[in-house]
This record gives sequence, C-alpha cells and structure tokens, in this order.
Amino acid sequence: EMQLVESGGGLVQPGRSLRLSCAASGFTFDDYAMYWVRQAPGKGLEWVSHISWNGGSIDYADSVKGRFTISRDNAKNSLYLQMNSLRAEDTALYYCTKDVGGGAFDIWGQGTMVTVSS
Amino acid sequence: EIVMTQSPATLSLSPGERATLSCRASQSVSGSLAWYQQKPGQAPRLLIYGASTRATGIPARFSGSGSVTEFTLTISSLQSEDFAVYYCQQYNNWPRTFGQGTKVQIK
Repeated sequence: EMQLVESGGGLVQPGRSLRLSCAASGFTFDDYAMYWVRQAPGKGLEWVSHISWNGGSIDYADSVKGRFTISRDNAKNSLYLQMNSLRAEDTALYYCTKDVGGGAFDIWGQGTMVTVSS
Repeated sequence: EIVMTQSPATLSLSPGERATLSCRASQSVSGSLAWYQQKPGQAPRLLIYGASTRATGIPARFSGSGSVTEFTLTISSLQSEDFAVYYCQQYNNWPRTFGQGTKVQIK
C-alpha cells in the first residue's frame, strides 16, 4: 500500500524555523515528483512547493519563496520542507503529496499541523 | 497565476440526485485539470485527472469533462458518502492552483 507519513509540525513563534519530514513507502519513491500542499484552518488548499524526482527541478509558491526550502533523500524515501522566518499566515495543515505521473496528486499523507503564534 | 473559479459554492441535493459541479480557469489549462474530494478531518482524495480520467478505485458514478477553461465534475447519483467538499486544480502552469471548493451537502 502506498503511504506518506508527515512529521515535524508543532507550535512555533513568529520568525522561528521548523523542518517537516515525509516518509514514503509502498512505491518507488525516486520515480516520482513530490509536493507540499497546505490548508489553513477552515480554508481551501494551497500548493506550496514541488521537487522533481531527482531534485533537479524545484518550484515554490510566491508566498513562501525565499523562506521555505524543499528537498528529498531518495536513499531514505523521504521528503523535507525547511521553513524559516515563519509567519502567522503560515499556520496550516501541511500535506505531503505524490505526483500521479502527470502533475495531479494521487497519494496524500494525513498532514502535520504547523501553528505560528507567540 | 491561473485563477480557478468553482461554482456553485454550495450545492444542496438529496441522495440519488445528480450533482454537477463547475470549474473555470482564467486562462487555458489544456486538459491538465484534476478534481479532489475532501471529507472533514481527512486528506483530499484524487477523483479525476487529465480532466476526465478516473483515478484508481474511483466509482464510475464520478465523471469529468471539459477542456481549455471550462470543466465539469458530475456525480450521477449521489450516495451518502459523496457529501463532501470538492476542489478542482490545474497543473498546466506554475504555480499549481486550486479552486476555492464546492461543498455538496444533504438537502
């Protein structure tokens, strides 16, 4: 069974950093692009970042560009999101998702909650 | 950035009825359009990609159509488990963008 499990969320003060992790299993991790998508409480879905299968292509939403860094370790079947200079508006449930092969997201983790507050 | 606009915001229907959800893109996304279902407390689930291809395990009562800028998700006969929020998403351009969602609720 294909599975994604996020971790690393929590309560953090504005301006501080947090690193999210996503452990993948049940599929050949390095065959697929991966993404982070977030959802603020009671709101819709927002794409955050993308990384290609080998890390050679990376993109970010304007709202996080310059503050967040996506990376992956194919040997460990893991995806990461380093979040610096956190703001209150970054408060959200962060999902790790897998590319179906053409750009849609077919597998989602259960999400990890990030709360930015003093 | 491509803006995705879904309508209506809320759809109130009874079990067994047909649901028709619309999604409009601010510019062409070709056929690079996906639909997701999200229930409270759960992660989104991919229903449709490529505008009309059902994802693995998705029942045949879900169908997608459209191209370029106008897309439709149809649920032919609503089951109790289909009452949820539905999002469209384009993946033709960066940044990837989602619609604001359509809530399908029991009438």
